[in-house]
Amino acid sequence: EPEVTQTPSHQVTQMGQEVILRCVPISNHLYFYWYRQILGQKVEFLVSFYNNEISEKSEIFDDQFSVERPDGSNFTLKIRSTKLEDSAMYFCASSESRGTNEKLFFGSGTQLSVL
Amino acid sequence: GEDVEQSLFLSVREGDSSVINCTYTDSSSTYLYWYKQEPGAGLQLLTYIFSNMDMKQDQRLTVLLNKKDKHLSLRIADTQTGDSAIYFCAETPEAGNMLTFGGGTRLMVKP
Repeated sequence: EPEVTQTPSHQVTQMGQEVILRCVPISNHLYFYWYRQILGQKVEFLVSFYNNEISEKSEIFDDQFSVERPDGSNFTLKIRSTKLEDSAMYFCASSESRGTNEKLFFGSGTQLSVL
Repeated sequence: GEDVEQSLFLSVREGDSSVINCTYTDSSSTYLYWYKQEPGAGLQLLTYIFSNMDMKQDQRLTVLLNKKDKHLSLRIADTQTGDSAIYFCAETPEAGNMLTFGGGTRLMVKP
């Protein structure tokens, strides 16, 4: 079965540093998403992306966050100046469309640790 | 805002049925999903149900929806050790819209 690939699986960074989390969605998918899960908390929606622009974002997705599809295959999440509270598991997802039967395929996540 | 709640933990014996429960608050929830997460893996969509349905069966999985009580359950028949995982309930008012997840129920299956 096709899968969403995320790299790296673990990322450790110093507070204030920029990080870029990378995702390769499934090749014929058009809708892309980032979710995150802080340890012990629920999986939370961050942002959805379609046709090279953000279609929805949550309150969490502030000016420190940005997303990009730089080359038609990768989908990246950038955190400009990381804070301790950004430590979480970040999941990328993609879907072919937004139809009623739509499946969201998730990657296995990037564990971000901000020290 | 919307909220989705699940119990944290369920332990069953191999061969028994498992029932994982979920409650939600958003009365406009239209699509309700069950995801499975195995260790080190992503979230795998198991099944979903529309709010105009009461029940959906898919092989060993049965989803029951009580819209009046805003209660969703996932029954796994003949539970196997390979079913051990965290199960997440999620809802959205619109297909493909942002999902609101429950906290996950860790299912442990004892041989």
